[in-house]
Amino acid sequence: DAGITQSPRHKVTETGTPVTLRCHQTENHRYMYWYRQDPGHGLRLIHYSYGVKDTDKGEVSDGYSVSRSKTEDFLLTLESATSSQTSVYFCAIMGLAGVNEQFFGPGTRLTVL
Amino acid sequence: SQQGEEDPQALSIQEGENATMNCSYKTSINNLQWYRQNSGRGLVHLILIRSNEREKHSGRLRVTLDTSKKSSSLLITASRAADTASYFCATYLQGAQKLVFGQGTRLTINP
Repeated sequence: DAGITQSPRHKVTETGTPVTLRCHQTENHRYMYWYRQDPGHGLRLIHYSYGVKDTDKGEVSDGYSVSRSKTEDFLLTLESATSSQTSVYFCAIMGLAGVNEQFFGPGTRLTVL
Repeated sequence: SQQGEEDPQALSIQEGENATMNCSYKTSINNLQWYRQNSGRGLVHLILIRSNEREKHSGRLRVTLDTSKKSSSLLITASRAADTASYFCATYLQGAQKLVFGQGTRLTINP
């Protein structure tokens, strides 16, 4: 998994509670991404980061915020979780500049009851 | 909306046969990539083809790209049970530093 870890790997929470997912990389990559994967939708980009404190929205950013205070950590926060945010969340980094391929973490399965 | 759409959504073949998956996209791209996802795991990069390339090979994988038709195909030859997985195409958009994924093709190789 190219030195990418995600925590927690599984989480069950209740509607209305805040949730933070963490992505950690060890190889000093500039670009980091958060996706969600749902049946019938493939992977959809939530937010991405192109450097410390530099982030931008993806196609399904409503209800999510992100922060990147250090190169190695990219946090995804659900301020008030809803059942529609039940999903599998993947973090990814982009490899060497000019190559553009992405390397993915193992995923976090989030269930919002 | 999805940039890449894959066809078929599911494919089941016998071990040893070839598997072909197709991907169509909507806008100009810098490159197109294929990824594999085994059940319960993250995606793994398989192969990248640039917009100025028409065909690329990697082991048992062959990828073609037709930019005039905005389509790509992934051929896996001599399939094995271990090839059972979901396969996704992803387009790297010109001027962006992000990928847009299709919905994937679920490939099952029967022994």
